[in-house]
Amino acid sequence: GNSVTQMEGPVTLSEEAFLTINCTYTATGYPSLFWYVQYPGEGLQLLLKATKADDKGSNKGFEATYRKETTSFHLEKGSVQVSDSAVYFCALLNTGNQFYFGTGTSLTVIP
Amino acid sequence: DVKVTQSSRYLVKRTGEKVFLECVQDMDHENMFWYRQDPGLGLRLIYFSYDVKMKEKGDIPEGYSVSREKKERFSLILESASTNQTSMYLCASRTLGAGVLNEQFFGPGTRLTVL
Repeated sequence: GNSVTQMEGPVTLSEEAFLTINCTYTATGYPSLFWYVQYPGEGLQLLLKATKADDKGSNKGFEATYRKETTSFHLEKGSVQVSDSAVYFCALLNTGNQFYFGTGTSLTVIP
Repeated sequence: DVKVTQSSRYLVKRTGEKVFLECVQDMDHENMFWYRQDPGLGLRLIYFSYDVKMKEKGDIPEGYSVSREKKERFSLILESASTNQTSMYLCASRTLGAGVLNEQFFGPGTRLTVL
């Protein structure tokens, strides 16, 4: 079957700290992988994506690399800011064109 | 830019009321979706629609119905609201165009409280 597992939160970091949010997936075939971000009081918005193995998605200083050998798509940022405080969702789009979302990881960045 | 709008940001209803949540997208997308979001459970798919007049059950359709009379509009209906339907409801849409990565676009959400 298809599923996404991401690290439990909440995560609290100081400003300028390094961020990693782990995401692993199970899928049949070759899915596309996504990270979505949800800022307080808002809907989800696409942060970055990758369509095939070894692709690296990047946006706003965030990066994630599609690792087929470890079925992972971990989100990283070298130096977080207060404005990065949000909930982050890992997701996959399978070959049957269906989305599967992780449960979300809440990040709080303190000054 | 794709825009997905939802009729209300916050809604308070009483148990047993009939509730309509409306969603409109402006990019001629074929597919539209309704999710509910609850702490610790992430997003759960309620219903989706591939095209006008078409609907498919998602993972948790019980207690809900939907309507898609026009391509741009997808309505979620709670026939008789219950307290366990208190949640954040998110609408989404996407295209199925060939050669296009089918990114899903979300509305801002409706936080529904059922008393």
